[in-house]
Amino acid sequence: KNEVEQSPQNLTAQEGEFITINCSYSVGISALHWLQQHPGGGIVSLFMLSSGKKKHGRLIATINIQEKHSSLHITASHPRDSAVYICAVRLADGSQGNLIFGKGTKLSVKP
Amino acid sequence: DGGITQSPKYLFRKEGQNVTLSCEQNLNHDAMYWYRQDPGQGLRLIYYSQIVNDFQKGDIAEGYSVSREKKESFPLTVTSAQKNPTAFYLCASRALGLYGYTFGSGTRLTVV
Repeated sequence: KNEVEQSPQNLTAQEGEFITINCSYSVGISALHWLQQHPGGGIVSLFMLSSGKKKHGRLIATINIQEKHSSLHITASHPRDSAVYICAVRLADGSQGNLIFGKGTKLSVKP
Repeated sequence: DGGITQSPKYLFRKEGQNVTLSCEQNLNHDAMYWYRQDPGQGLRLIYYSQIVNDFQKGDIAEGYSVSREKKESFPLTVTSAQKNPTAFYLCASRALGLYGYTFGSGTRLTVV
């Protein structure tokens, strides 16, 4: 069983829809990252969370440490949001700062 | 602007040849990482380094080698011993004591 599970694997939405991507993990963590990977392959860090909620523009990320679950929400989705969204966790034991990655959620937003 | 530069973006090599992927950062980050990404899989750690002249194996180090002679540079060599080298390779860096990571734009290696 993977230590970091994302759902759904693939998501197609119409422009303007509210989108939720979920991440569950089975290990103790010190931080959780949401990353965005565009078709060219480069990765951009969106959020880093250790508790609560963060918002940046149309993106909102939440984490529930007790339930070991995080969500990434996109409000008023746009075709430029089409990308792969990756959840990654940093283990609570430090592990030299290494991350464990989910397999990603491929989002396609249609105009 | 500070960031990570990976080069080249696309690389083609014949089977049996060693190839070196470049990763340079001007962020003054201490730690640097190499990840491999295959279709349908999460990124997997190949090697990492926290200080100059020191590096550690990750989960899938077999068939790869690295060096860290300078703080800003962490090249990855894919050797002929790597059985399935065709993949997307990502480099990342981080300042020790901080949680935030910076990623490069990746190198797509195809071995024919």
